[in-house]
Amino acid sequence: AQTVTQSQPEMSVQEAETVTLSCTYDTSENNYYLFWYKQPPSRQMILVIRQEAYKQQNATENRFSVNFQKAAKSFSLKISDSQLGDTAMYFCALREMSSGDKLTFGTGTRLAVRP
Amino acid sequence: ETGVTQSPTHLIKTRGQQVTLRCSSQSGHNTVSWYQQALGQGPQFIFQYYREEENGRGNFPPRFSGLQFPNYSSELNVNALELDDSALYLCASSQDRGEIQPQHFGDGTRLSIL
Repeated sequence: AQTVTQSQPEMSVQEAETVTLSCTYDTSENNYYLFWYKQPPSRQMILVIRQEAYKQQNATENRFSVNFQKAAKSFSLKISDSQLGDTAMYFCALREMSSGDKLTFGTGTRLAVRP
Repeated sequence: ETGVTQSPTHLIKTRGQQVTLRCSSQSGHNTVSWYQQALGQGPQFIFQYYREEENGRGNFPPRFSGLQFPNYSSELNVNALELDDSALYLCASSQDRGEIQPQHFGDGTRLSIL
């Protein structure tokens, strides 16, 4: 069965600094997608970035980038130039091609950006 | 374009009761998934519907059931409510089951069981 593990329950970073959130996963499939979602106190789950497993190049979206290590089954998120609005819960999620739209989430990392 | 909307925002029920939660998918989306998010946890997949048919289910008992309507709105029904059913229930919709499309989430319904 697919699993996603986030080993950092809480992280803190100074505004304008860089922070990296860790995620490891397990799957027996070769075709899958990985995602980072952000959930602010407003509760809505917002897609931050996604990575297709067949792509070797790491995905980037403005200040957000990932370090995808397929062999190690590792998928970390780097946030550069942290902003106060980045304060939220961050969830790593796995989607296997054979499972339709099903997302398997980790337990989340609570990120606090300090002014 | 309108996003995913869920109703109600909050709901309080007692053990043994039944509840119906509603979701309006984003315009043009024909796939909807429901998730249960307990306090301090990541969302857990309940099931998904594609074109009014259930086509994937997580480890939830049969008292969790759903419907998807021709306009792609959806309902989650839970019978015989238990204290552990207290959670945030999230609905997510996407456009197609072909090429991977990102899912769009609603704000959720907070269900409290007394």
